[in-house]
Amino acid sequence: AQKITQTQPGMFVQEKEAVTLDCTYDTSDPSYGLFWYKQPSSGEMIFLIYQGSYDQQNATEGRYSLNFQKARKSANLVISASQLGDSAMYFCAMREAFGTSYGKLTFGQGTILTVHP
Amino acid sequence: DSGVTQTPKHLITATGQRVTLRCSPRSGDLSVYWYQQSLDQGLQFLIQYYNGEERAKGNILERFSAQQFPDLHSELNLSSLELGDSALYFCASSSSGAGANVLTFGAGSRLTVL
Repeated sequence: AQKITQTQPGMFVQEKEAVTLDCTYDTSDPSYGLFWYKQPSSGEMIFLIYQGSYDQQNATEGRYSLNFQKARKSANLVISASQLGDSAMYFCAMREAFGTSYGKLTFGQGTILTVHP
Repeated sequence: DSGVTQTPKHLITATGQRVTLRCSPRSGDLSVYWYQQSLDQGLQFLIQYYNGEERAKGNILERFSAQQFPDLHSELNLSSLELGDSALYFCASSSSGAGANVLTFGAGSRLTVL
């Protein structure tokens, strides 16, 4: 079964608008972490934001915020005031704290975001 | 510059050959991860080392092997290469093997097998 699901292969947004990239996850571990990474066309993987499963508040980092709904097992990334430089592939990832997958990140398939001027 | 150094950046080789990809983790990071990114498989976890010891193994083929040396740099060896091994190989590092520690990725090594 897929542990991380990103259902939007591609998304379009107008510059200066906000956009939400969806991510759902599947785990039976009580302790886990959720991450978002950005991969521009140049190829590097850039860390954006982290949410721990026990964190009470949604994580925010500048224009990035994570809409964490634990009961629904969703961790959507919200980018406010989109910029042309936000055009990239975005990956949601999960780290489970226990079991054989300890330590590693499991990535979703990614969403390509295109920001239009 | 993320602080994680991967060499070579690009590599073109033929089927049946063997290559070694090298990774120097960020200063102070003890954990190294290898990932393979291809169009059809996405980002796949291969293997993780922590302070020289193998910590977790993913979908790593038997033709592939890795190790982490005492100076913490790591090498990924790919042998009997096939066309399907063409991919972007990422190394990432973190300060420990778990928790909120963020994985910092290198720029990747793009392998093309002809």
